[in-house]
Amino acid sequence: DIVMTQSPDSLAVSLGERATINCKSSQSVLSNSNNKNYLAWYQQKPGQPPKLLIYWASTRESGVPDRFSGSGSGTDFTLTISSLQAEDVAVYYCQQYYNTPLTFGGGTKVEIK
Amino acid sequence: EVQLVESGGGLVQPGGSLRLSCAASGFTFSSYGMHWVRQAPGKGLVWVSHIISDGSRTKYADSVRGRFTISRDNAKSTLYLQMDSLRAEDTALYCCATFGMATPTWGQGTLVTVSS
Repeated sequence: DIVMTQSPDSLAVSLGERATINCKSSQSVLSNSNNKNYLAWYQQKPGQPPKLLIYWASTRESGVPDRFSGSGSGTDFTLTISSLQAEDVAVYYCQQYYNTPLTFGGGTKVEIK
Repeated sequence: EVQLVESGGGLVQPGGSLRLSCAASGFTFSSYGMHWVRQAPGKGLVWVSHIISDGSRTKYADSVRGRFTISRDNAKSTLYLQMDSLRAEDTALYCCATFGMATPTWGQGTLVTVSS
């Protein structure tokens, strides 16, 4: 199974400042056949199901604000919130869908400093 | 619009059974593998099971193998999860999802509570 390791576990950032979350996979999730990284990022608020933010490591889902961006390739990935807003307080998860079983990072809790 | 809608959750006693359904619309359901993922209260996301597009192959997490059965009815565009011998630790929000299209697609989930 591919192990997904997220860091940090929690993060406190001032409003308007940048938040950066890292995700590392135990093996590459880059497909040689289509040159795509099978890596997604989700946002989850209390009492709600996870919301897809980013897929293919860097493609923003429709309707997601452009302050959210994803980068990286192979085994190392980053989710960046360029200017933290109050509504961004949530837990963020990375996930690989390169193979089954799907595996998820442990989550990063983002709070306002 | 591509959509997945789960149903069938509820309160069940330990040792009981439930069957979850996931109704798909807006895409050719029979062309894509499907997954179930769950999240226990206050915990992270955990993969449960997978079924390929024609239903001929399935996979399970160790924690549910032998107790849960995934299946699908492509004529009805519906995915199922039969859950038997339920335990307290199966209490979770259960979501269906697919990752074969251009965009990963998830349902909103159905809540299963196992308690006496």
